[in-house]
Amino acid sequence: EAEVAQSPRYKITEKSQAVAFWCDPISGHATLYWYRQILGQGPELLVQFQDESVVDDSQLPKDRFSAERLKGVDSTLKIQPAELGDSAMYLCASRLGGPGSTGELFFGEGSRLTVL
Amino acid sequence: AQSVTQLDSHVSVSEGTPVLLRCNYSSSYSPSLFWYVQHPNKGLQLLLKYTSAATLVKGINGFEAEFKKSETSFHLTKPSAHMSDAAEYFCPFLTGNQFYFGTGTSLTVIP
Repeated sequence: EAEVAQSPRYKITEKSQAVAFWCDPISGHATLYWYRQILGQGPELLVQFQDESVVDDSQLPKDRFSAERLKGVDSTLKIQPAELGDSAMYLCASRLGGPGSTGELFFGEGSRLTVL
Repeated sequence: AQSVTQLDSHVSVSEGTPVLLRCNYSSSYSPSLFWYVQHPNKGLQLLLKYTSAATLVKGINGFEAEFKKSETSFHLTKPSAHMSDAAEYFCPFLTGNQFYFGTGTSLTVIP
């Protein structure tokens, strides 16, 4: 069964360091999402891609976060410098189809970030 | 405004008893609605989805949900809870290309 792959599963870093997360969506899925989930809360959208284009990054803290999906396949989310408040689960999800499609999200296992 | 409200932040049931997790939505359009389950330190897994076909939707692991437009609700039920059902549950809805998540309901199953 096709899955969304994410790495690393766990990352511990000190504040002010740089971190990067990688996501490989299900083959053929045009839409890719990065979510941040703080413990005890629901996922919050950071950035959404349609193929290689960003369609929504309104909630991405652009002073320290960046995301790319250069060839419209896999994607990288970077944080530099990391702050204590960035400790969270970072979830990648993909979906077949774009606006108007009723397809569900397929999630990866997530990347748990702890900033010390 | 688009939003979803999960009415209970925490639900506790005994093993073998029915489960009811409540979800209400607010949307100007006919939404597509979903229920996901999340076990600790895992990603979200789809339980079921409603996309304007039958109002009673059956999902995996014995779960089902009923879409009630008049009540703007999409509650999740299961006749008999199992220990493995203990997890966090989310009922996002989709409009356009955006998913709106609530704060989740934590389900505890007591042996």
